[in-house]
Amino acid sequence: GAVVSQHPSRVICKSGTSVKIECRSLDFQATTMFWYRQFPKKSLMLMATSNEGSKATYEQGVEKDKFLINHASLTLSTLTVTSAHPEDSSFYICSPSQGSGTEAFFGQGTRLTVV
Amino acid sequence: GDSVTQMEGPVTLSEEAFLTINCTYTATGYPSLFWYVQYPGEGLQLLLKATKADDKGSNKGFEATYRKETTSFHLEKGSVQVSDSAVYFCALSFPGTASKLTFGTGTRLQVTL
Repeated sequence: GAVVSQHPSRVICKSGTSVKIECRSLDFQATTMFWYRQFPKKSLMLMATSNEGSKATYEQGVEKDKFLINHASLTLSTLTVTSAHPEDSSFYICSPSQGSGTEAFFGQGTRLTVV
Repeated sequence: GDSVTQMEGPVTLSEEAFLTINCTYTATGYPSLFWYVQYPGEGLQLLLKATKADDKGSNKGFEATYRKETTSFHLEKGSVQVSDSAVYFCALSFPGTASKLTFGTGTRLQVTL
């Protein structure tokens, strides 16, 4: 399968600060990037979808100004949680894709804790 | 909207025990169904899938059958190993959007000697 690198795997930050999560597809070009998050005992929920070079599309209820997604290249996408609050504490997973109809691949996930 | 419901874990089994992890779904239309596995420290990996009713997906001794009448896709393995300890996610997607998935909550499996 494809190699995906997501980091950091864990991060603890203070309320009000910003955190950047990186996701790299190491051996394929990701034209599309999906970002998911999972709250304790809840499903993995899609947050946003981005296509390389375009603005991300956010799911209902996800604040685009809080969760900034950059997908400037075919191998790198970043998710920045701005002005983080304790309720943003969650598990975030990236899923780069070569396009509709192809298999999904996933990063290792980032456990964010905001204190 | 579409949703996937999995049994809550953790599930703790002794090695060589029989495993069942239940998964049911709600969807309009005819989704493809998947089981993903996440080993400690790694990303989710596709374990098996089924794209239409009565299809059986299988891999590494795991099996799941797409049951349209009961909207289920239960995961089974006849004899688990310690190395099967992981988190298992049931998911669905629709044709043309295979990379965009709707997941269940995940079920943690712990296998002991």
